[in-house]
Amino acid sequence: DAGVIQSPRHEVTEMGQEVTLRCKPISGHNSLFWYRQTMMRGLELLIYFNNNVPIDDSGMPEDRFSAKMPNASFSTLKIQPSEPRDSAVYFCASRLTGYNEQFFGPGTRLTVL
Amino acid sequence: DQQVKQNSPSLSVQEGRISILNCDYTNSMFDYFLWYKKYPAEGPTFLISISSIKDKNEDGRFTVFLNKSAKHLSLHIVPSQPGDSAVYFCAAFGGGSNYKLTFGKGTLLTVNP
Repeated sequence: DAGVIQSPRHEVTEMGQEVTLRCKPISGHNSLFWYRQTMMRGLELLIYFNNNVPIDDSGMPEDRFSAKMPNASFSTLKIQPSEPRDSAVYFCASRLTGYNEQFFGPGTRLTVL
Repeated sequence: DQQVKQNSPSLSVQEGRISILNCDYTNSMFDYFLWYKKYPAEGPTFLISISSIKDKNEDGRFTVFLNKSAKHLSLHIVPSQPGDSAVYFCAAFGGGSNYKLTFGKGTLLTVNP
């Protein structure tokens, strides 16, 4: 299996622009997670989907952030409008329900100027 | 509040010696613990885990010890190899959540040849 796939790997944008991050989970995994990693706060869970349904979005920082999972093989995390403080590495992870281990993608490094 | 703490930001050991990475937690409801390894520009990779019903789990060169009364766990790597050089994250979940991983901020392990 190719593992969790994320795109783009790097994104540089200007404040106020819309940013869309993409994730393809491991085939057959029915749980998907979006995390953000910053120096100050470490790795934080933003949102959790199970069977394509958002279960817990309490970690989404504010209304500028939104996430969708239109099907079992694709998810997006959108930031609109982006701000410099959104600069971070965003990870997508997936797992099979019933198992504890989450498998992470390589991450997207976002820089908002 | 930081519920999972890795108090040593870095650790340096000689090849062939033991590496001991420590992790403390404050939430007594945590009942499952995981260690992840992360290389630069990659996502975290699952390494080993332990349930709170055990006090030790071993997988090859890696052993995790759990001391519930002290709310402390440790990862032992014996013998350490240069390829083990990476950031190691301790993570936990429980207390009714079987998906929300709470991560420590990581310890950078450097194994010197």
